[in-house]
Amino acid sequence: QSVLTQPPSASGTPGQRVTISCSGSSSNIGSRYVYWYQQLPATAPKVLIFRNNQRPSGVPDRFSGSKSGTSASLAISGLRSDDEADYYCAAWDDSLSGVIFGGGTKLTVL
Amino acid sequence: EVQLVESGGGLVKPGGSLRLSCAASGFTFSNAWMSWVRQAPGKGLEWVGRIKRKTDAGTTDYGAPVKGRFTISRDDSKNTLFLQMNSLKTEDTAVYYCATNDAFDTWGQGTMVTVSS
Repeated sequence: QSVLTQPPSASGTPGQRVTISCSGSSSNIGSRYVYWYQQLPATAPKVLIFRNNQRPSGVPDRFSGSKSGTSASLAISGLRSDDEADYYCAAWDDSLSGVIFGGGTKLTVL
Repeated sequence: EVQLVESGGGLVKPGGSLRLSCAASGFTFSNAWMSWVRQAPGKGLEWVGRIKRKTDAGTTDYGAPVKGRFTISRDDSKNTLFLQMNSLKTEDTAVYYCATNDAFDTWGQGTMVTVSS
């Protein structure tokens, strides 16, 4: 069971906006940066959002991150079929003295 | 181009050892904090551990499941990261990735480790 809680699945139709939540605690999300990763089928993960809401160069502005208290969210607008992937949140946990990942959310584009 | 290439994976019996390597190029390796992350078949991502750059004392941190069994080291002269895995268990079976910095902004392609009798 992951310390960061994500819904196991999410879905949307092309063009829609979807959000994926990530719930933690004061020892991780509440006091540390949140990161989001996209893993396309049979490929290595790729960073989408770093330090809560920053996008690396090359990541479209359709992807956005936010944080409030001990929860964070990833929003994807203008959903496309190639957004179908697994999405993971991550943060450092002060109690565990290590990085923790959410269990992952499988996004399906209907 | 920033690139990470892992190697050294394979089949090993429970209780055995294996050493993984991660060859880095396209950036100043000695300035980077480096991590290992693993993914068991059909499962999510799990942080294995990290090593800081030498100017930050080069210290290491490990996830609870591997602490005391795995050791992360680096050779900055060869731009290479290592993961020494001892006392391997069946639950260590996974694809092992190396990644850069606190944001894991670059990942390698991964190397598969299978622990089975």
